[in-house]
Amino acid sequence: NAGVTQTPKFRILKIGQSMTLQCTQDMNHNYMYWYRQDPGMGLKLIYYSVGAGITDKGEVPNGYNVSRSTTEDFPLRLELAAPSQTSVYFCASSYSVIVQETQYFGPGTRLLVL
Amino acid sequence: GNSVTQMEGPVTLSEEAFLTINCTYTATGYPSLFWYVQYPGEGLQLLLKATKADDKGSNKGFEATYRKETTSFHLEKGSVQVSDSAVYFCALSKQGAQKLVFGQGTRLTINP
Repeated sequence: NAGVTQTPKFRILKIGQSMTLQCTQDMNHNYMYWYRQDPGMGLKLIYYSVGAGITDKGEVPNGYNVSRSTTEDFPLRLELAAPSQTSVYFCASSYSVIVQETQYFGPGTRLLVL
Repeated sequence: GNSVTQMEGPVTLSEEAFLTINCTYTATGYPSLFWYVQYPGEGLQLLLKATKADDKGSNKGFEATYRKETTSFHLEKGSVQVSDSAVYFCALSKQGAQKLVFGQGTRLTINP
């Protein structure tokens, strides 16, 4: 199993450009998450999904959109990139909502908006 | 609201030193508590967890005990190695909730 994979690893965007961060998991997990990690800060939840076709906002959803058309994929869309979106983005997945359940993280996408 | 506060970093130790990274939390009810580790260039990995008061999580020589009376979950290791150099995140998850709340992370560097 590859686990959780993310592409690209690194990207530079100009202000106002758009892009999609890709996330795929091959563990048949129902739950998927997008976090951002700013320097010196903990991870903050952007969006999450409890299954195909169902998504919900996290703590910091503004400026982002998500979709979940399949169990495996959970792309994150930035429509109008802003410097405040410079961050490292992590995708994660888990099998269920049981409180003890581990979240598995991808390696991250580093995004720089200039 | 729920929050996690970690010891300020960075922390630099010599090999074989004793490690403590402090973590305290604020939450209603009975959250589960986690330590995640992020090695350079990698995503976060679960290091250990505890789901109820007085539980002790342990893995790879690291330990943390869920202390409800002090709302703490401090990470300890008796003898650190260079390979333990990483960023360590304390986190909590409320019962029935699928969302993790993270502390700000503590960067640990172990010198040989």
